Amino acid sequence: NAGVTQTPKFQVLKTGQSMTLQCAQDMNHEYMSWYRQDPGMGLRLIHYSVGAGITDQGEVPNGYNVSRSTTEDFPLRLLSAAPSQTSVYFCASSYSSLGTGANTQYFGPGTRLTVL
Amino acid sequence: KQEVTQIPAALSVPEGENLVLNCSFTDSAIYNLQWFRQDPGKGLTSLLLIQSSQREQTSGRLNASLDKSSGRSTLYIAASQPGDSATYLCAVRTDSSNTGKLIFGQGTTLQVKP
Repeated sequence: NAGVTQTPKFQVLKTGQSMTLQCAQDMNHEYMSWYRQDPGMGLRLIHYSVGAGITDQGEVPNGYNVSRSTTEDFPLRLLSAAPSQTSVYFCASSYSSLGTGANTQYFGPGTRLTVL
Repeated sequence: KQEVTQIPAALSVPEGENLVLNCSFTDSAIYNLQWFRQDPGKGLTSLLLIQSSQREQTSGRLNASLDKSSGRSTLYIAASQPGDSATYLCAVRTDSSNTGKLIFGQGTTLQVKP
């Protein structure tokens, strides 16, 4: 298994540009999430999905869109990039484990985004 | 609102020393707590997951404990090695629907000197 993969690894955008960060997992996980990591702020949840066709907002969703057309893929779209979106973005996935609490999260290697 | 705090932010120890990393959370109503390791420029790797009904989990030289009532968890690393140098993050799950939503601490950056 490749686990959780993310592309690109690095990206530089100009203010106002749009782009899509790709995330894919080959573990047949129901749950997928996007986090951003900023110095001194830890990781914060942007959006998450509990299955194909179902998404919801996390703690910091403004400026980002997501969709989940397949179990494997969960792309994150920046509609109009702003310098405040300069960050490291991580995608994560896990199994459903209702009632057990044993939902170990698996993280991708991250995408480092700079918005000028 | 649940808040997770890790102190200290950075720690430097000589090789071979046993050490403890701390994680505290403000709301004891958690479903599990997970410890992660992050190497520079890399993603997160899960080390240990403690369910709310458990007191501790062990993996090799790592031992994580959980005290829900006091809102605290510790990660004990025995006989530290330079390869243990990394940032260690703790995260709690607080929702019952298992949406994968975690609340993270800011991490402790550990340096183990040869």
